[in-house]
Amino acid sequence: GENVEQHPSTLSVQEGDSAVIKCTYSDSASNYFPWYKQELGKRPQLIIDIRSNVGEKKDQRIAVTLNKTAKHFSLHITETQPEDSAVYFCAASLNFNKFYFGSGTKLNVKP
Amino acid sequence: GAVVSQHPSWVICKSGTSVKIECRSLDFQATTMFWYRQFPKQSLMLMATSNEGSKATYEQGVEKDKFLINHASLTLSTLTVTSAHPEDSSFYICSARQTPEGLAGVTTQYFGPGTRLTVL
Repeated sequence: GENVEQHPSTLSVQEGDSAVIKCTYSDSASNYFPWYKQELGKRPQLIIDIRSNVGEKKDQRIAVTLNKTAKHFSLHITETQPEDSAVYFCAASLNFNKFYFGSGTKLNVKP
Repeated sequence: GAVVSQHPSWVICKSGTSVKIECRSLDFQATTMFWYRQFPKQSLMLMATSNEGSKATYEQGVEKDKFLINHASLTLSTLTVTSAHPEDSSFYICSARQTPEGLAGVTTQYFGPGTRLTVL
């Protein structure tokens, strides 16, 4: 099955700085890569996603890049704010079937 | 976005008892739902894929006789943890896949709010 690795496990940045979280996947057939934000005790919330036919996608302060050849994708958050503090998970999927999640990154944005 | 609910939101039970968790898609039909388990400070681990009208498919290492899944309708999947033990204590989250009709629609998954199970 698919294996998704995510790093770093924790990331601390100053408010206003950028944050980058990276993931790699093992199954070259995977074609959908969502990113989720999860606050303590709550459900994961989709923040951005990318499909394998696109190399980059941006939504305001959030962007995701995908390198299919290297099988890695990254989440970029610019101008971080304290409310961005949460745990972020990447995932990989084939045709929106099973989602295989990375191990998570705890982002702490210091005011 | 679409809404997925879970019931109960939390449950405490004694060791050896069975617990049923419901996952409902409230405003769309979901032929496929997924069940995940999340231990504290860990990632979501896929347990099984629930298919309406057919048997669930389980991930490697997940005991199908312990975690019974029933997807009896297009809007409801249930997970029953049988003979629960303290090590089954976890956060159980379902997701429902929405596949809109027509080419303009976008397939995506929506997560339920989760059920926190504590087994004493």
